[in-house]
Amino acid sequence: AQSVTQPDIHITVSEGASLELRCNYSYGATPYLFWYVQSPGQGLQLLLKYFSGDTLVQGIKGFEAEFKRSQSSFNLRKPSVHWSDAAEYFCAVATTSGTYKYIFGTGTRLKVLA
Amino acid sequence: GAGVSQTPSNKVTEKGKYVELRCDPISGHTALYWYRQSLGQGPEFLIYFQGTGAADDSGLPNDRFFAVRPEGSVSTLKIQRTERGDSAVYLCASSLTGPSDEQYFGPGTRLTVT
Repeated sequence: AQSVTQPDIHITVSEGASLELRCNYSYGATPYLFWYVQSPGQGLQLLLKYFSGDTLVQGIKGFEAEFKRSQSSFNLRKPSVHWSDAAEYFCAVATTSGTYKYIFGTGTRLKVLA
Repeated sequence: GAGVSQTPSNKVTEKGKYVELRCDPISGHTALYWYRQSLGQGPEFLIYFQGTGAADDSGLPNDRFFAVRPEGSVSTLKIQRTERGDSAVYLCASSLTGPSDEQYFGPGTRLTVT
């Protein structure tokens, strides 16, 4: 069965530090991969997505993610975190064949220290 | 342009009552999705509409849950005989043609069953 794992429930970083949020998936083929951000009181917003091609994808707000097939991972990175990046981040996968499945991870809550 | 809207934003109901949650997608989007998000969890897929028909309703937890999209735009999620375990934020999203497109999320309806 398809699944998504975000192993870090909480992450705290200092403003200006680099960030990496981990995401691993389980699926028999290459899925569509997404990262969303959810700020308090806000709806989910798409940061970036991977369908095919270049395994390093650029998103909004200075985020990027790298698809590594061998590790079944799609980690989100940002070189320098801003206080406004404090939010909850969700990795999601969508199946590319058969019955539609769109599965979210449990999320990683990011805290940014001034 | 207008995003996805959901009404009501909050709904408190007594156990055993019937509730309807409404989603108004982005105009022109043929795909519509319902998710449920419990505290501390990622969104959980419920149902996906392609036009007026449910393309996948495998996420509906039981037969108390039902959703319609009679004209291919607005959708209503209906919950009969509500239970306390149904308390969650119900999210609606729409995308232009299908699951490979970016999903735009509404702000959600917070349902509390007392």
